[in-house]
Amino acid sequence: AQKVTQAQTEISVVEKEDVTLDCVYETRDTTYYLFWYKQPPSGELVFLIRRNSFDEQNEISGRYSWNFQKSTSSFNFTITASQVVDSAVYFCALSGIYSGAGSYQLTFGKGTKLSVIP
Amino acid sequence: NAGVTQTPKFRVLKTGQSMTLLCAQDMNHEYMYWYRQDPGMGLRLIHYSVGEGTTAKGEVPDGYNVSRLKKQNFLLGLESAAPSQTSVYFCASRPTGISYEQYFGPGTRLTVT
Repeated sequence: AQKVTQAQTEISVVEKEDVTLDCVYETRDTTYYLFWYKQPPSGELVFLIRRNSFDEQNEISGRYSWNFQKSTSSFNFTITASQVVDSAVYFCALSGIYSGAGSYQLTFGKGTKLSVIP
Repeated sequence: NAGVTQTPKFRVLKTGQSMTLLCAQDMNHEYMYWYRQDPGMGLRLIHYSVGEGTTAKGEVPDGYNVSRLKKQNFLLGLESAAPSQTSVYFCASRPTGISYEQYFGPGTRLTVT
């Protein structure tokens, strides 16, 4: 069984502050992928990043960065110098190579609602 | 490419009515999925398909049926709607291979009164 935990239900920050969204996962698979999706108030799901279990390098994309630590089963997401447009619900998700008999199902966390206050 | 589309965008049903949600993708993806999103619950998998003519149950399949008669379409049916099925429904698709993300449709907001 797979599980993704996003312990932070809601976070509020003031614009230009840095914020880290936590994601902890459980899986028996040795090969798996981790994802982050953004859901802005408009409701669509926007893919942000994919990381495989063999690549523990941190990734940076503009103001966004991701820290993958296999030792702690965590895949945390940091937004630097937050902006109002970052206000959204962020989902962490996991897909194992054997998820659902090869269906590559995504197991989602419950999401973290980020509010950036101007 | 339109990507993944869903119809309708909104629907209100009365308890006991039936309806079908249509998901279409133009990316020639093998895998398709139906999720529901409820407040504080994240997204939960209802049913999925690993190819044309195949379907399988996900985490919360009760009260729903699906069909994948054509590769590009994945239909979700509610035979007798219940208030507990009030939710936002998302369809997704992906290509074969582990390293791909799922591509999501815009969602359908369903209210059952």
